[in-house]
Parts: sequence; structure tokens; C-alpha cells
Amino acid sequence: QVQLVQSGAEVKKPGASLKVSCKASGYTFNKYAIHWVRQAPGQRLEWMGWINAANGIPKYSQKFQGRVTITTDTSASTAYLELSSLRSEDTAVYFCARGFDVDSPKDAFDLWGQGTMVTVSS
Amino acid sequence: DIQLTQSPSSLSASVGDRVTITCRASQRISSYLNWYQQKPGKAPELLIYVASTLHSGVSSRFSGSGSGTDFTLTISSLQPEDFATYYCQQRYSTPSFGQGTKLEIK
Repeated sequence: QVQLVQSGAEVKKPGASLKVSCKASGYTFNKYAIHWVRQAPGQRLEWMGWINAANGIPKYSQKFQGRVTITTDTSASTAYLELSSLRSEDTAVYFCARGFDVDSPKDAFDLWGQGTMVTVSS
Repeated sequence: DIQLTQSPSSLSASVGDRVTITCRASQRISSYLNWYQQKPGKAPELLIYVASTLHSGVSSRFSGSGSGTDFTLTISSLQPEDFATYYCQQRYSTPSFGQGTKLEIK
């Protein structure tokens, strides 16, 4: 079954760091990209960055530059999102998504993980 | 960054209605515009990419059109399962999404 399965919900204190995993199955992991998108309560989807699973090269939204790291473990068909210096505004559902046309403007996100709820609270 | 503005932000309609949602980009993005459907508590699902190409498995009652800065998503005959929030997304540059259009039952 073609799917992305994410790690479970997290509760973090302000200033802490977060690491969310996204395990792919049912397709060749290194032929696609993995994007990370978050959605704060009642808000629009917000793109955070992506990684080319073929070469491991990431690209980040300027908004998160310096706080975000996206990596892959191709042997485990898994992508990871790390976000540091958490603040209350980072409370959101974090999604991973597969991009099917790597590094092309014709790309779209055709497969999504189930989402990981992250709550940042003291 | 390219801004996407959807209209309306919310819409009430009945089963069987034809509805149209628009998405306007802050600059020209050729045809690099995608549409997603999201139901409460769920991940988004791809409906249409490159403005008008129907994603595999998506009902033909969904269609998309447009290029440049103005795009539309049309649902030809609303079904109960279509009541959801719809987002446009551009891939011309750093990805961004519209604010969403919530489609509710009248």
C-alpha cells in the first residue's frame, strides 16, 4: 500500500526542539521529493521546505531558515523534520507530502501523511 | 513570495449545484496551479494539477481552468462528499497556498 505514516503527537515546551518522522512505503522512496507543510488551528496550509530523496538536498522556506532541518534515511525510506526554538505559534498539525515531479513547477503533492499534532505550551 | 487569494472564503450550496471557486495569484504563474480538498481532521488530497489536469481517481465532476494570474475550480454537480475546504497552491516558485474556501451545505 502506497502511504506515508508519520510519528505521533507531541507536546513541547517553548524553546525545545521537535523531530517528526515520515515513513514511506509502497513506492520507490528515492524517486520522489518529500515536502513538509504545517497548518495552525483554523489557518491555511504553510509550506516549510522539501528534500529531494534522490540526493538528500533540502530547500527551506525563508520563514523557517535557521530553525528547520529536513533529512532523509533512504535505508529506512523515512524523512525527518526538525524544528528548533519552538514557540507557541508553532502549535500546528505538521504534514509530510510526496512531490511527484521533483524540482519542477509541474510538481504537486499527490500523497500525504496523516499529520502530526504538535502543541507548544509551557 | 507569490500570494494566492481565493474567493469566496466560504460558500453555501446544495447537493446538485454547480459551484465555482476562484484563485488569483499576485503575479503570473503560467499554469503552475494545483487544487486540493481537505476534510476536517484529515490531510489534504490532490484534485487537479497544472491548472486543469485531473489527478488519478478524482471524479470528473471536478474541473480546473486558467493561466497567468486567474484560475477556477468548478464542481459540476455537488455531491454530499464534496462539502469540504478547498485550497489552491502555486508551484511556479516557493510553494504557497491560498487561504481556503469552505464549502458548506445550504
